[in-house]
Amino acid sequence: AQKVTQAQTEISVVEKEDVTLDCVYETRDTTYYLFWYKQPPSGELVFLIRRNSFDEQNEISGRYSWNFQKSTSSFNFTITASQVVDSAVYFCALSEAGDYKLSFGAGTTVTVRA
Amino acid sequence: GAVVSQHPSRVICKSGTSVKIECRSLDFQATTMFWYRQFPKQSLMLMATSNEGSKATYEQGVEKDKFLINHASLTLSTLTVTSAHPEDSSFYICSTLSTGNTEAFFGQGTRLTVV
Repeated sequence: AQKVTQAQTEISVVEKEDVTLDCVYETRDTTYYLFWYKQPPSGELVFLIRRNSFDEQNEISGRYSWNFQKSTSSFNFTITASQVVDSAVYFCALSEAGDYKLSFGAGTTVTVRA
Repeated sequence: GAVVSQHPSRVICKSGTSVKIECRSLDFQATTMFWYRQFPKQSLMLMATSNEGSKATYEQGVEKDKFLINHASLTLSTLTVTSAHPEDSSFYICSTLSTGNTEAFFGQGTRLTVV
């Protein structure tokens, strides 16, 4: 069974628009970690955030913000006032406690047009 | 700066040959290394977990004799794709954990093309 679902395959926006990427996860563990990574065309994975299952506080980092809701098993990511440099594939991932292996979602390709 | 150095970044090889990909942890000891594979426009899939000094653990469906993993030291893990075929063409990326296992660090990835 898929552990991480990113239902949006591609999103295209015009610069300065906000864009929200959905991530729904599935796990039986009470302790787990959720991640978001950015993968630009170069291929490397850029770490954006890690959140453990006991910390439901939303987080803001510059133009990035994350909304973690255990009740709906979602960990959504919003880019505010998008820029062309935000164009990339974004992956949500889950790591279950004691495991540290990452299960990735299918990824969402974000294209920001000038 | 990068904490995990992966080499080479790109490689083109002929069908039937073997290719070795190296992953080095910089300035820290990597007890565990994960190897992922990413086909074009797809997600990353875990191939295997290597622990220093012991045999790697392979995920279901991954041929251990084809993808040889060696983790002989705390700073180096290697993945060798043996007798490569065009269907092995993919992006391979390694990952290790920070001290305290709080974060996963990824190498820069290796784009393998088998012709």
